[in-house]
Amino acid sequence: GIQVEQSPPDLILQEGANSTLRCNFSDSVNNLQWFHQNPWGQLINLFYIPSGTKQNGRLSATTVATERYSLLYISSSQTTDSGVYFCAVERNNQGGKLIFGQGTELSVKP
Amino acid sequence: EAGVAQSPRYKIIEKRQSVAFWCNPISGHATLYWYQQILGQGPKLLIQFQNNGVVDDSQLPKDRFSAERLKGVDSTLKIQPAKLEDSAVYLCASSLDRVGVHGELFFGEGSRLTVL
Repeated sequence: GIQVEQSPPDLILQEGANSTLRCNFSDSVNNLQWFHQNPWGQLINLFYIPSGTKQNGRLSATTVATERYSLLYISSSQTTDSGVYFCAVERNNQGGKLIFGQGTELSVKP
Repeated sequence: EAGVAQSPRYKIIEKRQSVAFWCNPISGHATLYWYQQILGQGPKLLIQFQNNGVVDDSQLPKDRFSAERLKGVDSTLKIQPAKLEDSAVYLCASSLDRVGVHGELFFGEGSRLTVL
């Protein structure tokens, strides 16, 4: 099956710093989503981004489908950004099945 | 718009007991998913419904897990009998239609199961 690899696995930042999270996938996809799992376990949609670039406030994401990777940028990080960030992909013609990576655990210190 | 509703939020049972989780998807969402998330891992799909039909249950341990989606709306996931390794968060998600055709997956808050 398709492999989804996220890096780094862990990241510690000082408040106000910027960061880039990466998601590599091993096959063609027709869907890619980024989620933030907060400390209470809720998965929050960040971006639905099978290709191209999107921005939402301090967050932006870029997916280069032909090269099989996606990047999530967090600027001016805040303590509330702490949690686990997941990338999930749907392989072409797989009927909606999202495969998740292992996540990047982000901790933002005040 | 109301999100995906799940209950109970927490459940503690002893091994070999049974448990059931309930999910109410976002109104109008045809596709419903149950995922299992073990601590420290990403969510793993257990079963996918399109309306009230099963699309994919290849990773559902059918000897102990069962799920149904009567009338194409609410869904119930049951575990009987539970094992220690079933301790996890059970996440329900819904989408307007097939992901990749109409868009995004939206998750509920999850049901955390502890099996002692």
